[in-house]
Amino acid sequence: GAVVSQHPSRVICKSGTSVKIECRSLDFQATTMFWYRQFPKQSLMLMATSNEGSKATYEQGVEKDKFLINHASLTLSTLTVTSAHPEDSSFYICSGTQPTLNTEAFFGQGTRLTVV
Amino acid sequence: AQKVTQAQTEISVVEKEDVTLDCVYETRDTTYYLFWYKQPPSGELVFLIRRNSFDEQNEISGRYSWNFQKSTSSFNFTITASQVVDSAVYFCALRSSLGNEKLTFGTGTRLTIIP
Repeated sequence: GAVVSQHPSRVICKSGTSVKIECRSLDFQATTMFWYRQFPKQSLMLMATSNEGSKATYEQGVEKDKFLINHASLTLSTLTVTSAHPEDSSFYICSGTQPTLNTEAFFGQGTRLTVV
Repeated sequence: AQKVTQAQTEISVVEKEDVTLDCVYETRDTTYYLFWYKQPPSGELVFLIRRNSFDEQNEISGRYSWNFQKSTSSFNFTITASQVVDSAVYFCALRSSLGNEKLTFGTGTRLTIIP
């Protein structure tokens, strides 16, 4: 299957700082990318959907000013957690699809964020 | 609204036993896709299978098999002769095929294979 590379895999940051997570599709053009959040022992909750070149669509309850999503190219989407707080500590995972191919979504390896 | 229910939160079986993971879904779409993903302790999501709502044939891939029953809105997953490497969290997911690509995940089933 296609490859989505997500970096970093782990990050520890101080409260109040910002953290950027990158998600790259390596061998296909991800016209749509999704960002999920997963709390320990829980399911994946969709945070936002981004289409290349346009603003992301956020799910209800997700603060768009806190979780900045950029999808400037067909192979790169970034999630920036701004002014991070301990409650933002979580596992974040991205996925990319190319809807015209009608395939399954391909997931990155995930990023474990710890805010101290 | 779409919903995926995985009623089994945790399952433990002894190695070499067969185990079935249940998945029940709700959707108003006439066309949709169902998926199973495996999430090992490392965290990444490993794609296992995609099933189109028009295709009710059961599928077998090695020790894995899937039973899609549209009449009961179920898409169950069976592992035969389980192995310790099968220990993971397994997620069932649903996606509308009407242009919206987002996945609705179940709550997952944590499977532990006891050596």
